[in-house]
Amino acid sequence: KQEVTQIPAALSVPEGENLVLNCSFTDSAIYNLQWFRQDPGKGLTSLLLIQSSQREQTSGRLNASLDKSSGRSTLYIAASQPGDSATYLCAVVGDAGNMLTFGGGTRLMVKP
Amino acid sequence: DGGITQSPKYLFRKEGQNVTLSCEQNLNHDAMYWYRQDPGQGLRLIYYSQIVNDFQKGDIAEGYSVSREKKESFPLTVTSAQKNPTAFYLCASSSRTNIKTQYFGPGTRLLVL
Repeated sequence: KQEVTQIPAALSVPEGENLVLNCSFTDSAIYNLQWFRQDPGKGLTSLLLIQSSQREQTSGRLNASLDKSSGRSTLYIAASQPGDSATYLCAVVGDAGNMLTFGGGTRLMVKP
Repeated sequence: DGGITQSPKYLFRKEGQNVTLSCEQNLNHDAMYWYRQDPGQGLRLIYYSQIVNDFQKGDIAEGYSVSREKKESFPLTVTSAQKNPTAFYLCASSSRTNIKTQYFGPGTRLLVL
């Protein structure tokens, strides 16, 4: 059974820092990996989706990489801002199905 | 505007009561999903439906029930058998042509009185 782990569980940084969030998964037979943002008490907003054949995706200050063979993905946030404060979740879809398996999330706080 | 709506935003349940959470989508998606999120944790799948009048149990279906009478709607009932229902509930949907990408609603927070 697929298991997804996110480290760290919480992170607090001063504004302007570059930071990396980590996601690991146990079964490398994935179809895609997705990074979501969740604001307190809200639904999920998709940030980046990486297909299994891709190595990375970029959107503005966000860059997500995927190393399928080692079961790892990172989300890089450049020049962090207080508005980036949220919980970031990664999720994978397996080759065999269409169900998302989520990690526990990283709760990010960017201090002004 | 196309999207997924969930209601109510907050729901209170008394002991022994069944409550129903609404999820509606106008994206013409075939598949719909219900997830539960506990504080500081990721999402866990409760039930999913890939087509009208059909649904499957997810990882934590005990104490919950669903129906899928219309393509647009996938209500979730939290029954009295669910002993720890306090959580944030999220509904999602995906299309047949892109079934591996899900779109999420804003969520319903369920609290027990």
